[in-house]
Amino acid sequence: KQEVTQIPAALSVPEGENLVLNCSFTDSAIYNLQWFRQDPGKGLTSLLLIQSSQREQTSGRLNASLDKSSGRSTLYIAASQPGDSATYLCAVAGGSYIPTFGRGTSLIVHP
Amino acid sequence: DAGVTQSPTHLIKTRGQQVTLRCSPKSGHDTVSWYQQALGQGPQFIFQYYEEEERQRGNFPDRFSGHQFPNYSSELNVNALLLGDSALYLCASSKQDNEQFFGPGTRLTVL
Repeated sequence: KQEVTQIPAALSVPEGENLVLNCSFTDSAIYNLQWFRQDPGKGLTSLLLIQSSQREQTSGRLNASLDKSSGRSTLYIAASQPGDSATYLCAVAGGSYIPTFGRGTSLIVHP
Repeated sequence: DAGVTQSPTHLIKTRGQQVTLRCSPKSGHDTVSWYQQALGQGPQFIFQYYEEEERQRGNFPDRFSGHQFPNYSSELNVNALLLGDSALYLCASSKQDNEQFFGPGTRLTVL
């Protein structure tokens, strides 16, 4: 059974810092890995999707990497802004194509 | 394109009652998945519908049931509500096993 762990559980940083959020998974036989953003009480917004054959994806200030052999992914956020404050969820899909989610990292960026 | 829509936004029920939640998939999508997200947790997979049949199911009791209609929209029904059923219920749609897109969720409170 796939297990997904996200570290840290919470993070509070001043505006402008570069951040690294970590995601680890136990079963390396994955189909894809996806990073989501969730604002309080709201649905999930997809940030980046990395297919099993890929090593990284980039979108604006966000960069996500995938290392299947070590069962790890990182989400890098450059030059953080208060608007980046949210919970960031990592989800790993295996052969069933159903994603298993971590518990998320709650990020606060203060001015 | 309205994306994935869910109704209602919020719902309050008492223990023992029954509830129906609704989801309309993104245009062009034929597969609908349902997730339960308790406070502070990642979403947990309930079940997935494709071609009006339940295709996969997570570790949820039979009190949780669903339906998919010919227009691909879907309902989630929960019978005999328990306090522990209080959560955000998320619907996601996809074109078969491709990337899932999430709706805004329905917040269910059981008193």
